[in-house]
Amino acid sequence: SQQGEEDPQALSIQEGENATMNCSYKTSINNLQWYRQNSGRGLVHLILIRSNEREKHSGRLRVTLDTSKKSSSLLITASRAADTASYFCATAVSYGNNRLAFGKGNQVVVIP
Amino acid sequence: DTAVSQTPKYLVTQMGNDKSIKCEQNLGHDTMYWYKQDSKKFLKIMFSYNNKELIINETVPNRFSPKSPDKAHLNLHINSLELGDSAVYFCASGRTSGGNEQFFGPGTRLTVL
Repeated sequence: SQQGEEDPQALSIQEGENATMNCSYKTSINNLQWYRQNSGRGLVHLILIRSNEREKHSGRLRVTLDTSKKSSSLLITASRAADTASYFCATAVSYGNNRLAFGKGNQVVVIP
Repeated sequence: DTAVSQTPKYLVTQMGNDKSIKCEQNLGHDTMYWYKQDSKKFLKIMFSYNNKELIINETVPNRFSPKSPDKAHLNLHINSLELGDSAVYFCASGRTSGGNEQFFGPGTRLTVL
């Protein structure tokens, strides 16, 4: 199964700055999703972008998808201390078995 | 509260013991999953059940046996625990239709001594 590979692995920013993370994958996908994991908690779904979409917004989140480059980016604007978490991308390659392949995750630390 | 819940939250046990982790979802989803997250936070799928039927069974030792008594429950039983089983285990649920957004439980931190 394929895996997303986020880049960079760790990011430390000041509150109010923007945070950008990238994710690359290897095969064709139906959709790509981003999840957040706070320390000691389960993953929380943030946003889903379908393979025929190029950009999607949700609040302070902006996701882009470039299927020709097999990559996606997650932008968090005006970051807050509460955004400190690990962020994972996950790709859905088939609706048939409902499998998601998760990447390694980006640790984001927002300094107040 | 609508959610995915799992018990226990922490599990500390000796090598060789048998233990179970329980998971329940009240979101009305038809698919449930077990994931293992290692110390580097890499998340790997172990099993998936759809309407009580096993549909994903990754290369997991047969000491791990999932059981789904109904659509809302997916339990994980582990026999003869080994040191390498120490990890955080997450249960998740989702719908077959749509984009397969998944909803995760809070995790069970298993420590094998």
